[in-house]
Amino acid sequence: ETGVTQTPRHLVMGMTNKKSLKCEQHLGHNAMYWYKQSAKKPLELMFVYNFKEQTENNSVPSRFSPECPNSSHLFLHLHTLQPEDSALYLCASSQDWGRVWTFGSGTRLTVV
Amino acid sequence: SQELEQSPQSLIVQEGKNLTINCTSSKTLYGLYWYKQKYGEGLIFLMMLQKGGEEKSHEKITAKLDEKKQQSSLHITASQPSHAGIYLCGADIAGTASKLTFGTGTRLQVTL
Repeated sequence: ETGVTQTPRHLVMGMTNKKSLKCEQHLGHNAMYWYKQSAKKPLELMFVYNFKEQTENNSVPSRFSPECPNSSHLFLHLHTLQPEDSALYLCASSQDWGRVWTFGSGTRLTVV
Repeated sequence: SQELEQSPQSLIVQEGKNLTINCTSSKTLYGLYWYKQKYGEGLIFLMMLQKGGEEKSHEKITAKLDEKKQQSSLHITASQPSHAGIYLCGADIAGTASKLTFGTGTRLQVTL
């Protein structure tokens, strides 16, 4: 365990479903991140939150909706996804704009 | 082209052999991070380098950042099956310490 917990570990959803990914950290970090990892592509930064405020949205489609109710929790709400959205979604956290980014184990998402 | 280029993309080595993975950028790397990932899982932090010419070691893994801070190498001595996985370099390219940009990764297999 790294201190960043992601649930669920695996998720299969239809294109018309609505689901949410959850990330929780108890490291006292103030920044949290969502990354997408697709096959043979670099990790893509999706969203950055610092002290609950979104500081970066890396041109992510609106079918992905992040929520950060406090510095310890981060959600990614999913709706009307496409098969190409199937990927490993990784959450990370850092303290003071990151000297070390700590990653969770990821959620393997399959859109059918 | 990628902001961070990793080479090789994949590597198969016999147990006991040494190996080197490279990470190169055309931009200054304000912080360079090495992570290891088991297939489909989260990233495990290995080492962070910040100063030009810096070198760090942990057990049989040594990472270096060149003087110009545009290239890093990860060297494994006397490889073991436990070293198998995907090695990712991540860097603070913007200089803001607010996000990491990643390379595509190097998949390492260690044969008996």
